[in-house]
Amino acid sequence: DIVLTQSPASLAVSLGQRATISCRASESVDSYGNSFMHWYQQKPGQPPKLLIYRASNLESGIPARFSGSGSRTDFTLTINPVEADDVATYYCQQSNEDPYTFGGGTKLEIK
Amino acid sequence: DVQLQESGPDLVKPSQSLSLTCTVTGYSITSGYSWHWIRQFPGNKLEWMGYIHYSGSTNYNPSLKSRISITRDTSKNQFFLQLNSVTTEDTATYYCAGGPYGSSAWFAYWGQGTLVTVSA
Repeated sequence: DIVLTQSPASLAVSLGQRATISCRASESVDSYGNSFMHWYQQKPGQPPKLLIYRASNLESGIPARFSGSGSRTDFTLTINPVEADDVATYYCQQSNEDPYTFGGGTKLEIK
Repeated sequence: DVQLQESGPDLVKPSQSLSLTCTVTGYSITSGYSWHWIRQFPGNKLEWMGYIHYSGSTNYNPSLKSRISITRDTSKNQFFLQLNSVTTEDTATYYCAGGPYGSSAWFAYWGQGTLVTVSA
């Protein structure tokens, strides 16, 4: 199975500043010219919500403050500027190889 | 607007079977997409369990392959999870989800989740 390691496990960012979350895969999640890494936001008591698909594509309705980048084994989710509503846990997920796997999550708090 | 809703018992005894239903509204499960079960353990680890494709084919996480079955009722636009021989380690919040299939398997649509506790 592809193991996804997120860092940091938690971070505190001031309102209006940038938050950067990393996801490293144990092997490449690239195929056919695409990177099959996706990002989700989960708030307490709610299901995960898709933010970014295929590494850098913004899901419909998601603010442009969220962006994704990366390829092969190293990926980044950036939130800029951070707003109070962004307090949540963020997960990466890969679909390049069966079984699909998730990262352990990064908890974002406001400083 | 695609919506999913899980239903089923919230308490199951060890060694018994866990059975959940996901009702989909706003989209026919035979029109496209794959329809998944995902669970989240206490401590928040997420595990993909398996899916049923709009064609009816299924694919399961090998870690569960001997215990899991995903089926559907197209007349009710529902799909189902059965997990056999449960233990306390199967205690989790169970989500149904939908989205593209194959390598493009991201989860665009989610139910609210249902907490299932395995306990005597």
